[in-house]
Amino acid sequence: EAQVTQNPRYLITVTGKKLTVTCSQNMNHEYMSWYRQDPGLGLRQIYYSMNVEVTDKGDVPEGYKVSRKEKRNFPLILESPSPNQTSLYFCASSLSRAGGYTFGSGTRLTVV
Amino acid sequence: GQQVMQIPQYQHVQEGEDFTTYCNSSTTLSNIQWYKQRPGGHPVFLIQLVKSGEVKKQKRLTFQFGEAKKNSSLHITATQTTDVGTYFCRGTSYGKLTFGQGTILTVHP
Repeated sequence: EAQVTQNPRYLITVTGKKLTVTCSQNMNHEYMSWYRQDPGLGLRQIYYSMNVEVTDKGDVPEGYKVSRKEKRNFPLILESPSPNQTSLYFCASSLSRAGGYTFGSGTRLTVV
Repeated sequence: GQQVMQIPQYQHVQEGEDFTTYCNSSTTLSNIQWYKQRPGGHPVFLIQLVKSGEVKKQKRLTFQFGEAKKNSSLHITATQTTDVGTYFCRGTSYGKLTFGQGTILTVHP
């Protein structure tokens, strides 16, 4: 089944403790992206990747890192999480940047 | 910069009534996409419109792209309780992709 797999689905952590949210797609998509969704603010892009080893900042990249060492994986790294990063995070992939996205199931992160 | 405004923010309807959400862009769009997100779920791609004046239908859903390619609409005929959720548009303009804020639809049986 074609899908984007995110892990974990839920995570509660403490301020400053490094964490990684994994994202993997099995569709051979070149384009992958991370979004955060907050009430009243919609979906805001954090980082995106056009292909392996090619990443770029989205609209809200501060406090996040990404890597794209393999085509299928695009992990999101929070080196020192803060409470304002409490949010619902979605990974998405598509054949091309302008193509329709396939979203992962989401990761609900709480930073206390 | 590019802005994609989506209205209304909320819409409450009785089952069987029609529903429309609108997206308006400050710049000309090369394409627009529509997504649906069920409560507690993730956004799911519905459709992409590319041509000026394009109209596409999916069962009770009708999608339109404006002649000037600056606005789009999603119309649902005779809503059902299964239509509840948030509907998002996503516009592409000069390489920049922007989601609208979404319209939250509730349907009362």
